[in-house]
Amino acid sequence: DAGVIQSPRHEVTEMGQEVTLRCKPISGHNSLFWYRQTMMRGLELLIYFNNNVPIDDSGMPEDRFSAKMPNASFSTLKIQPSEPRDSAVYFCASSLAQRGYYNEQFFGPGTRLTVL
Amino acid sequence: AQKVTQAQTEISVVEKEDVTLDCVYETRDTTYYLFWYKQPPSGELVFLIRRNSFDEQNEISGRYSWNFQKSTSSFNFTITASQVVDSAVYFCALSEARTGNQFYFGTGTSLTVIP
Repeated sequence: DAGVIQSPRHEVTEMGQEVTLRCKPISGHNSLFWYRQTMMRGLELLIYFNNNVPIDDSGMPEDRFSAKMPNASFSTLKIQPSEPRDSAVYFCASSLAQRGYYNEQFFGPGTRLTVL
Repeated sequence: AQKVTQAQTEISVVEKEDVTLDCVYETRDTTYYLFWYKQPPSGELVFLIRRNSFDEQNEISGRYSWNFQKSTSSFNFTITASQVVDSAVYFCALSEARTGNQFYFGTGTSLTVIP
């Protein structure tokens, strides 16, 4: 079975450019999470969706960040304009959320973003 | 306040030694789930185990074992006869019933197994 798919795996861009990260969750999963990992701040939850609806975006750093989930099989995280401090590994994860039962999240391989 | 505390930032052991990674959590919910993840040097996060708050039975899977104690709010992870391939960062996480399936991750423990 295919796991969570993320693209690109590596992205190098210049400050001020728009960056779009993509995620395809595991088929059948109804929850999707975007995380950012840095040495300084560890693993941070940015936003998560249930049934394609954003539930909590309090972790989104600022208005430069936006996320969408147009359907159950695709999500994007966009940074516009990008800044050097956005450099990090961005993970997408998905899970099957059932009422009263919380399943493990399965993570994608991550996108390593470098903003010069 | 930190919901999941992994006080050990870095641990080094010699191969074949046993090692225990500590995880202390904080929650007011009676229904919650605890998880352990492994992040090897390659970077991916690998799910290891899930435990719900109503099941305090310890679990063993090969060289891995987990000790869940509600009385001390701890969910510790022991690797027996450690191997070099166990070198990784290990994360403990908590999910609470009232906040849905959002995870609260600890800061991770970096384990180095020296051959």
